[in-house]
Amino acid sequence: AQTVTQSQPEMSVQEAETVTLSCTYDTSESDYYLFWYKQPPSRQMILVIRQEAYKQQNATENRFSVNFQKAAKSFSLKISDSQLGDAAMYFCAYRTISNNDMRFGAGTRLTVKP
Amino acid sequence: DTGVSQDPRHKITKRGQNVTFRCDPISEHNRLYWYRQTLGQGPEFLTYFQNEAQLEKSRLLSDRFSAERPKGSFSTLEIQRTEQGDSAMYLCASSLRPEGTPDTQYFGPGTRLTVL
Repeated sequence: AQTVTQSQPEMSVQEAETVTLSCTYDTSESDYYLFWYKQPPSRQMILVIRQEAYKQQNATENRFSVNFQKAAKSFSLKISDSQLGDAAMYFCAYRTISNNDMRFGAGTRLTVKP
Repeated sequence: DTGVSQDPRHKITKRGQNVTFRCDPISEHNRLYWYRQTLGQGPEFLTYFQNEAQLEKSRLLSDRFSAERPKGSFSTLEIQRTEQGDSAMYLCASSLRPEGTPDTQYFGPGTRLTVL
């Protein structure tokens, strides 16, 4: 079974600083997809960034980047120059190539302090 | 707005009643997903449609739950004989997946169900 673990229930960061959210996963597959989703309070979930496991290069999207360590089964999210609007629940998610059962971690609540 | 919409946004019902939720995906998205999210947890996959065909179902989807997507557009999720444990946020997502690429799932705002 594939499981996703987010070991930090809550994190906080000062505005304009950098924060890293951790995610580990368990799988026996060699190819799969990893995602970070953001869920602002009372708003719908949106995709932040995604990574295909066969790609060695870490994905980046503007201020968001990942550190994908395939051997360690680790997929952390780095948010640079944090903004107040980054405050949200962040979910790490995993999906195999062959099926559509996306597995989510329990989430990390990020607070951004002005 | 052309995003995923869900109706109703909130539903309060008494134990034992049946409820039905609707999801309208982004038009032309051929894939539709239902998830359940309880407080403090990430979403849990329930079921998946490609067009009108229900291709995957989680073991979480007991026989009291049924989902349909009759014309490959909107979808309904029905819960019969609701139980207090069914209280959760029910999320719908849709995607259009070009072959060989990971699809991006676009989520709706969810329907929050409270079973008294």
